[in-house]
Parts: sequence; structure tokens; C-alpha cells
Amino acid sequence: EDQVTQSPEALRLQEGESSSLNCSYTVSGLRGLFWYRQDPGKGPEFLFTLYSAGEEKEKERLKATLTKKESFLHITAPKPEDSATYLCAVGAENFNKFYFGSGTKLNVKP
Amino acid sequence: NAGVTQTPKFRILKIGQSMTLQCTQDMNHNYMYWYRQDPGMGLKLIYYSVGAGITDKGEVPNGYNVSRSTTEDFPLRLELAAPSQTSVYFCASSYKETQYFGPGTRLLVL
Repeated sequence: EDQVTQSPEALRLQEGESSSLNCSYTVSGLRGLFWYRQDPGKGPEFLFTLYSAGEEKEKERLKATLTKKESFLHITAPKPEDSATYLCAVGAENFNKFYFGSGTKLNVKP
Repeated sequence: NAGVTQTPKFRILKIGQSMTLQCTQDMNHNYMYWYRQDPGMGLKLIYYSVGAGITDKGEVPNGYNVSRSTTEDFPLRLELAAPSQTSVYFCASSYKETQYFGPGTRLLVL
């Protein structure tokens, strides 16, 4: 069964305290792995796409990495405005279908 | 450039009623998607379309119907609303693999 699992479900950090979010997947025909940010009451907002193991991408305080079975979203020196739910998704079948994890809710306290 | 727009923002339905959730995009994207997001859960794909006149089922299509007569519009139809369809519905469009999401429609079936 195609499945995407994210951990932890929730993460509370102090401002400046770095950490990592995990996304593991068992999806056949993976074409790409995606990270999205979702703020309360809004639709997901695209962050990164990773296509192959070993690939890394960075944006401000966020860095995404990919292995054959999992991806990590590293958050360096987070700020309160980084507080959101971070969703991981796997694209399959020529990007006709996407499988989402349930997300990690990040709360960064000042 | 409005991106992806969805109407209504919120709706309460009685069991057995029908309604159509509207989705429009102005980016000339061929691919469009409908998802539902239950509390604390990831997004589940309901239906998708790769172009006008072409639609296909996702993970959870039962109880829903779609049509795609134009590139811009991708309405989602609920024929006989059930409490299990209480959820937040997101529409998305994509040119290649990056999806752009609308703000969502919150539906409550009582």
C-alpha cells in the first residue's frame, strides 16, 4: 500500500533551536518528493521538490534532503514566523497522483 | 493573476442534499486536482484531470463526481451529502509537477 508517514506529529521549538522533520514513504513509481507549508485556514504552499536520493535544496532557514526511503526537512535557527504545518507528499504515475503525509505541526516560541 | 480560486468558502449541508464546489484557475494549467483534508490528516486525492474532457479517479472518489469542460474550471459535485463528507476541500492546479492550491472550502454535513 502506498503510504507517506511524517514524524513527529507536533514539534515545539524555542526560537533559534534547530531541528529536523522526517518523512518516510512506501510509494511505488515515485517521481518526486514535495514539501509544502500550510498555515491555518489556508491551502498548502509549495516549498521544495526533490527527485533523486542524495539531492538537497535550501530556502532561507529550510533545507530538504532525500534518501531512498525518507526525506528530512531541516530547520536552522527557526523564527516564530516559521510556525506552520509542514506537509510531505510523494508524486507518482507521471505526477497524476500525489500521496500526502498527515503533516508536522511546528510551533516556534520567541 | 488570482491563481486558484474556490467558492464557497464555507457551507452547511443537510444529509441527502447536493451541491457543487467551484474551482477556477487562471494560470492555463492542464492538470487540476481535488483533495479533501480531514482534521489532523493529510490530503487525500478525490479526482484529477489532465486536461479538458479528461478526468480520472484518485484515492477516495466515492460519493463525488467531476467534469472538466474548460481548461479553467474543475467543479466537484456531491450528489447525496453524508456526514462522512464533512471536511475541507482543496482544489489545485499544476503545469508540471508543482501544485498550486486554492484557499479551500469548508463543508459541514449535518
